[in-house]
Amino acid sequence: DVKVTQSSRYLVKRTGEKVFLECVQDMDHENMFWYRQDPGLGLRLIYFSYDVKMKEKGDIPEGYSVSREKKERFSLILESASTNQTSMYLCASSSPSGLAGQETQYFGPGTRLLVL
Amino acid sequence: AQSVSQHNHHVILSEAASLELGCNYSYGGTVNLFWYVQYPGQHLQLLLKYFSGDPLVKGIKGFEAEFIKSKFSFNLRKPSVQWSDTAEYFCAVTVSSSARQLTFGSGTQLTVLP
Repeated sequence: DVKVTQSSRYLVKRTGEKVFLECVQDMDHENMFWYRQDPGLGLRLIYFSYDVKMKEKGDIPEGYSVSREKKERFSLILESASTNQTSMYLCASSSPSGLAGQETQYFGPGTRLLVL
Repeated sequence: AQSVSQHNHHVILSEAASLELGCNYSYGGTVNLFWYVQYPGQHLQLLLKYFSGDPLVKGIKGFEAEFIKSKFSFNLRKPSVQWSDTAEYFCAVTVSSSARQLTFGSGTQLTVLP
């Protein structure tokens, strides 16, 4: 089974702090993704990566950055946390198969972040 | 940019009732369509997906979905729900112009009463 793990299930930070959310997958997947999930808004893509040291902006990248130094690990960074970044953060991974866009994404358990 | 609409935010059914959750997308070209499910306390997981061919696709746990191109719809159905189907259901789409970006709908919370 594909396993995607996230470093914390719950996190409480203060406004202005730098926050690191870590994601690790064990299936040698090329693609990794960071989403935030908010009630009534579904999941929105923040950043994604097709390969090591490669990143692309998703729909809502403002206030976030990412790092992918190793294939299995994809980090989301909040440079200066703000209260509007309080949310559930989900990491996902997938492997290219068939035509692009047809891959199944495998999700981690999520990190619920509260910024005070 | 493409978008996905799920008009039912919360659906409450009794066990054995039939289910249909609506999903509409806005994109005129080729699409790949997915339904994901999030059971309470569990990871988001794939329920079913459609790329091409037979527009009626079957997924896990007795779910199916029908792609109707003329209506830009991909509704999820199950003939008889169980209490264990209580979950949040998300419709999602990828399109040819941004193939790897999965765009999600806002989700539908399904509550099945025993």
